Amino acid sequence: SAVISQKPSRDICQRGTSLTIQCQVDSQVTMMFWYRQQPGQSLTLIATANQGSEATYESGFVIDKFPISRPNLTFSTLTVSNMSPEDSSIYLCSATRTGSSYEQYFGPGTRLTVT
Amino acid sequence: EDKVVQSPLSLVVHEGDTVTLNCSYEVTNFRSLLWYKQEKKAPTFLFMLTSSGIEKKSGRLSSILDKKELFSILNITATQTGDSAIYLCASINAGGTSYGKLTFGQGTILTVHP
Repeated sequence: SAVISQKPSRDICQRGTSLTIQCQVDSQVTMMFWYRQQPGQSLTLIATANQGSEATYESGFVIDKFPISRPNLTFSTLTVSNMSPEDSSIYLCSATRTGSSYEQYFGPGTRLTVT
Repeated sequence: EDKVVQSPLSLVVHEGDTVTLNCSYEVTNFRSLLWYKQEKKAPTFLFMLTSSGIEKKSGRLSSILDKKELFSILNITATQTGDSAIYLCASINAGGTSYGKLTFGQGTILTVHP
């Protein structure tokens, strides 16, 4: 399995500010994704992070609110912009290892609280 | 729209009991189904099921997929308090712009009492 780390592990932010979450994978992976898990809910895919090109966003998520970068095969960032209390969630990145059979592994998550 | 539905949504049992968690799916371009255990933040991978009728086992956990009836079950035998967690199933889409995406069910909250 791929080892995935995320920073920060948690943060408390003020309304109107932005936070950038980093995701680092220990080996080259083909696909990286960002998910959100709101309190008491299941995971919802925000976007697929594409290496060297713009991310592919799911319905209900837009680039202005959740800009994503993936400058190389092992690193991606998600920014939560102009935060409101509704953005309080756990944000998780995941990756599918090159050559694997679609098994997808998750980072430890970032717990964001917006006050 | 792809849909994954889990049941029951929550389950309370005592140590030693056997539980069966259910997952049904309606997915275009279905490739595989995954089961995860989530205790604190990150879901940890349990099983990936691609072929129908082949049981996968890991210790007290086992799972099987029925691609004709579009469902999967996760069995846990001789449950322990450490099995208390949210169990998530997710389908993998293998087509077009949805390639590799996971669609998650709502999860089953399992509580095992001593």
